[in-house]
Amino acid sequence: TQLLEQSPQFLSIQEGENLTVYCNSSSVFSSLQWYRQEPGEGPVLLVTVVTGGEVKKLKRLTFQFGDARKDSSLHITAAQPGDTGLYLCAGARRNAGGTSYGKLTFGQGTILTVHP
Amino acid sequence: DTGVSQNPRHKITKRGQNVTFRCDPISEHNRLYWYRQTLGQGPEFLTYFQNEAQLEKSRLLSDRFSAERPKGSFSTLEIQRTEQGDSAMYLCASYRGRTGELFFGEGSRLTVL
Repeated sequence: TQLLEQSPQFLSIQEGENLTVYCNSSSVFSSLQWYRQEPGEGPVLLVTVVTGGEVKKLKRLTFQFGDARKDSSLHITAAQPGDTGLYLCAGARRNAGGTSYGKLTFGQGTILTVHP
Repeated sequence: DTGVSQNPRHKITKRGQNVTFRCDPISEHNRLYWYRQTLGQGPEFLTYFQNEAQLEKSRLLSDRFSAERPKGSFSTLEIQRTEQGDSAMYLCASYRGRTGELFFGEGSRLTVL
């Protein structure tokens, strides 16, 4: 089983602070996705990183894929209460034919609370 | 709104009853996935379809679970003789092969009393 470990599991911060969430595995993934999920809703895709060492920015969110494609991080600058939610990383691998494969391995998530 | 719709959104049932969930994916996506998410955990893969063919099933999918996608469009997930341990959020996802991305529906939350 390919496991993805996220840390921290819980994060409670004040508005305006910066934070980083980590996602680590001993396995290599062909790509890694980050999702945000609100209570009672399905996960919403934020970003997909594919290339080792890749960095993607989405407004105040910065995503990085490790050089070896085994780990990733999500950094949020100047967090706002609207960032509150469950953040999930999910790794994808290719099937035997080498094509992209939608069976994702998810981390257990990081619950972020940003206080006004 | 991801374009994936699931219903019902919530289902409360008594142990031993059967329940069925429906998923309508994005029309041009030929792959459809089912995941299950319990409280405090990330989603876990259950099964997926390529058009109408069910190509893989997780060991989590006991013989009480059955999924279909009869015409390669919508899909149903049926749980027979529900148990309290089946209580979870059941998530359907539509797969865009070009980018390898999943687009999840809002989920169907099952509570078994």
